[in-house]
Amino acid sequence: DGGITQSPKYLFRKEGQNVTLSCEQNLNHDAMYWYRQDPGQGLRLIYYSQIVNDFQKGDIAEGYSVSREKKESFPLTVTSAQKNPTAFYLCASSRLNREDQPQHFGDGTRLSIL
Amino acid sequence: AQSVTQLDSQVPVFEEAPVELRCNYSSSVSVYLFWYVQYPNQGLQLLLKYLSGSTLVESINGFEAEFNKSQTSFHLRKPSVHISDTAEYFCAVSEGKGGSYIPTFGRGTSLIVHP
Repeated sequence: DGGITQSPKYLFRKEGQNVTLSCEQNLNHDAMYWYRQDPGQGLRLIYYSQIVNDFQKGDIAEGYSVSREKKESFPLTVTSAQKNPTAFYLCASSRLNREDQPQHFGDGTRLSIL
Repeated sequence: AQSVTQLDSQVPVFEEAPVELRCNYSSSVSVYLFWYVQYPNQGLQLLLKYLSGSTLVESINGFEAEFNKSQTSFHLRKPSVHISDTAEYFCAVSEGKGGSYIPTFGRGTSLIVHP
């Protein structure tokens, strides 16, 4: 079955440490997205990518970085500059420029601070 | 720019009672509307969507939503809820030609079904 795989499911970060969240999809989608979810705040867009080797900042990109070296993969790094990283992180994908198509989501990674 | 407002952060209801989760949007162009459901510690799953045509859309598990252009609303309803419907529900809007293809999500409504 096609889908999106996020790993790990739970992740702990020490102060001053960078951590990387993995997102892989086999849906052959061009567009991929990273969202941060906090209680009562819905989904906030961190970064998105429409094509390999290109990506754009979303609404809350500060303290995060991404890469898109392969169509299937869109890893997110939470850097030490992100002072409040504790949240649920969701990766999604969709067909490019098809605003009538829904997004497909992974099952998320929950990041906590040690 | 598009925006979405989900008017209730939490909706408690008893099992077998009807429920309505409210969603209003704003946009300057034509829109596509979606409802997603999220169970604890999982990602979002598409529940139903409005693209065009009939303003009433239905899901396979008994939910329905009606697109009301004049009131810019897309409320989600179910005539009789089950315990298993307890989840977070998100309304989302994306814009047609001339707008942003990236959807905007509401803040979510937590549906809590009591026995």
